[in-house]
Amino acid sequence: AQTVTQSQPEMSVQEAETVTLSCTYDTSESDYYLFWYKQPPSRQMILVIRQEAYKQQNATENRFSVNFQKAAKSFSLKISDSQLGDAAMYFCAYFGNEKLTFGTGTRLTIIP
Amino acid sequence: NAGVTQTPKFRILKIGQSMTLQCTQDMNHNYMYWYRQDPGMGLKLIYYSVGAGITDKGEVPNGYNVSRSTTEDFPLRLELAAPSQTSVYFCASSRGGTSYEQYFGPGTRLTVT
Repeated sequence: AQTVTQSQPEMSVQEAETVTLSCTYDTSESDYYLFWYKQPPSRQMILVIRQEAYKQQNATENRFSVNFQKAAKSFSLKISDSQLGDAAMYFCAYFGNEKLTFGTGTRLTIIP
Repeated sequence: NAGVTQTPKFRILKIGQSMTLQCTQDMNHNYMYWYRQDPGMGLKLIYYSVGAGITDKGEVPNGYNVSRSTTEDFPLRLELAAPSQTSVYFCASSRGGTSYEQYFGPGTRLTVT
């Protein structure tokens, strides 16, 4: 079974600074997808960024980018120019075999 | 498009009662999923469906049942509610094929006392 590990239960960052959230996963598959989801206090799950395992290029969405290291099974999220609206729980997720497996999340606090 | 809608938003059940959580999507997605999220945890898959008439168990299916008679609807049935089923329940859907992005509903907060 696939597992997803987020080793940082909580992180904080000064507004306008950069922060990196870590995620590792375990799989024997070669073709899969990885996602970062954001869950603000409203509870809504919002897709932040996705990465196809067969693509070597790291995905980028505006201020959000990933560092995907396939051999190391690592998938970290970098948030640049942090904003107050970025405060939320962030979940790393692995998609394979028609199912999505989530990590336990990292709570990100933005310090004004 | 309303996307994925869930009803009710909140519910309190007594131990042993039963209820159905409703989920509807208007995106003509083939794949639908039910997750539960316990406090401070990630989401865990309860059941999923790859199309009308097809369902399969996820990681934590005990105490739940599902059906998928139409593409749009994927209700989750709780039989004999127990305190361990106190959680937030999310429904999600995706197009499938080469598109794996899942779209989530707003969630249902269920308390069993």
